[in-house]
Amino acid sequence: DSGVTQTPKHLITATGQRVTLRCSPRSGDLSVYWYQQSLDQGLQFLIHYYNGEERAKGNILERFSAQQFPDLHSELNLSSLELGDSALYFCASSVTTGPTGELFFGEGSRLTVL
Amino acid sequence: GESVGLHLPTLSVQEGDNSIINCAYSNSASDYFIWYKQESGKGPQFIIDIRSNMDKRQGQRVTVLLNKTVKHLSLQIAATQPGDSAVYFCAETPAGGTSYGKLTFGQGTILTVHP
Repeated sequence: DSGVTQTPKHLITATGQRVTLRCSPRSGDLSVYWYQQSLDQGLQFLIHYYNGEERAKGNILERFSAQQFPDLHSELNLSSLELGDSALYFCASSVTTGPTGELFFGEGSRLTVL
Repeated sequence: GESVGLHLPTLSVQEGDNSIINCAYSNSASDYFIWYKQESGKGPQFIIDIRSNMDKRQGQRVTVLLNKTVKHLSLQIAATQPGDSAVYFCAETPAGGTSYGKLTFGQGTILTVHP
């Protein structure tokens, strides 16, 4: 158990809909990262928040947004969903922003868009 | 289990053998190189990392080797056990900056350990 909690574990929705994925980082971790894992793209970095502020963005679509709240939990919002958005979405956390490559990943939220 | 790619490299070994998983990286300026393990139905789990100014680092039953000349990273697992069966990813951090967790992952290698 990494200590990172993600909900929901599974989500099935239709194209055009909007979903919110939630992440609770490990106790004490200030950084939260979101990654997408798909069959064709592999594991891809989406966005990083540190103590409520956005620190880095990857190839995150404009239809996707995230935020980190004062209690440090984070939410990833995916809107106008397309079939290609079907993937595993992982949240990870770490104490600092670096220097280290050690992140603690949750078990992911599997999104299926029909 | 979770499938992370249609055509991932595979490595099949017998229990007790040593395993070597290889990775070619692209960014010479990366600060850290890391190995993650992903078991079926779980998120990636950190195994070991190595800073770019090092050639070798050892952990418990694992050794990571970094060859910057040819941009090659390898993970050696000693006395491989069935519980080591998983997908193994190499990853690299950005060069400096404020987001070391902005990792670039490789495609992964499927390791299967036969009892």
